[in-house]
Amino acid sequence: AQSVAQPEDQVNVAEGNPLTVKCTYSVSGNPYLFWYVQYPNRGLQFLLKYITGDNLVKGSYGFEAEFNKSQTSFHLKKPSALVSDSALYFCAVRDDSSASKIIFGSGTRLSIRP
Amino acid sequence: ETGVTQTPRHLVMGMTNKKSLKCEQHLGHNAMYWYKQSAKKPLELMFVYSLEERVENNSVPSRFSPECPNSSHLFLHLHTLQPEDSALYLCASSQDPRLHTEAFFGQGTRLTVV
Repeated sequence: AQSVAQPEDQVNVAEGNPLTVKCTYSVSGNPYLFWYVQYPNRGLQFLLKYITGDNLVKGSYGFEAEFNKSQTSFHLKKPSALVSDSALYFCAVRDDSSASKIIFGSGTRLSIRP
Repeated sequence: ETGVTQTPRHLVMGMTNKKSLKCEQHLGHNAMYWYKQSAKKPLELMFVYSLEERVENNSVPSRFSPECPNSSHLFLHLHTLQPEDSALYLCASSQDPRLHTEAFFGQGTRLTVV
């Protein structure tokens, strides 16, 4: 069965500093990994995905994520945080064995202080 | 806007009421999903329809009944709900799940059961 873990409920970063939001996964087949962001009272917005190819994927709003197969991780990163990046971030996974399911982590609240 | 529209945005219902949530997508996708989002819990996948056929049902109580009359519309019929069913209900759609594409989410229906 697929599962996703986001070990941090909250991440606090000063504006201008780099940020990392952690995600680890467990799948029985090949992983297909996603990051989403949710602003207050809104649905989830897609940020980026890893399907195959380069381990470093770039997405919207300057975010990127690195796929690490040996560590089963897909951490979200940004070189320089903005106050407007403050939101709830979700990691998600599909795998070959159950392609119809997209399973989400519990979310990490990112807070960027000015 | 993501192309996925949910109505109503807010719903307050008594435990003996019957109501329905509606989701509509104009993206040409052929898979649709219902998720439940409760505070401090992972998004819970409730139902998945692919090509209008239900392919996943994650042991959701029978007081929730989905309906997918065509590839553009998805309903969630509610009856005799409990207060613990209060949550944000999110609809999403994607292309063929076997393509491992990302899902696009609506803004959600905030449901309160009183």
